[in-house]
Amino acid sequence: RKEVEQDPGPFNVPEGATVAFNCTYSNSASQSFFWYRQDCRKEPKLLMSVYSSGNEDGRFTAQLNRASQYISLLIRDSKLSDSATYLCVVRYSGAGSYQLTFGKGTKLSVIP
Amino acid sequence: ETGVTQTPRHLVMGMTNKKSLKCEQHLGHNAMYWYKQSAKKPLELMFVYNFKEQTENNSVPSRFSPECPNSSHLFLHLHTLQPEDSALYLCASSQEGQGIGEQYFGPGTRLTVT
Repeated sequence: RKEVEQDPGPFNVPEGATVAFNCTYSNSASQSFFWYRQDCRKEPKLLMSVYSSGNEDGRFTAQLNRASQYISLLIRDSKLSDSATYLCVVRYSGAGSYQLTFGKGTKLSVIP
Repeated sequence: ETGVTQTPRHLVMGMTNKKSLKCEQHLGHNAMYWYKQSAKKPLELMFVYNFKEQTENNSVPSRFSPECPNSSHLFLHLHTLQPEDSALYLCASSQEGQGIGEQYFGPGTRLTVT
């Protein structure tokens, strides 16, 4: 069974804090990895793709460990606007088809 | 942001009604998707269309019927739904064959079945 597991959360952190989310996936043939954010009652929006060498976008850093089947997202200097649910997403391609598998998400609340 | 649009945004229907959800993508993508998001559950992929051909049907009941007339439009026809079908239905698109296949979502249709 292809599954994506995330920290259950919720995470309640003060403004300016650093927070890390973890995610594991079960399908070793997974090929692409993403973090999406979803605000309450809105659609998921792509936050960043995750590359094998790790990548950074401003205050956000994503890491991938294929051997451990583990993905992480680090948010530095948290802002109130970072409050959302963060979804770990894994893409599997094979036999002419491809699917994204979503984790349940981790809710982040940044507190003034 | 109007890359992927969906109509209607909200829909209330009885179990004997027939309705359709519409999705349109303006990103020039070649693949489109329907997802279901229920409370406290992860997004569930329902259907995948690649170049207008259906490539995935994840054991979705036949009361949900997709239609993809071209690579920019996707419909989900609904009939004789059950109350447990109440959920947020999300459409997404991606460009397959190039890049890593990130998907972009529409705002969703919030469906309530009474």
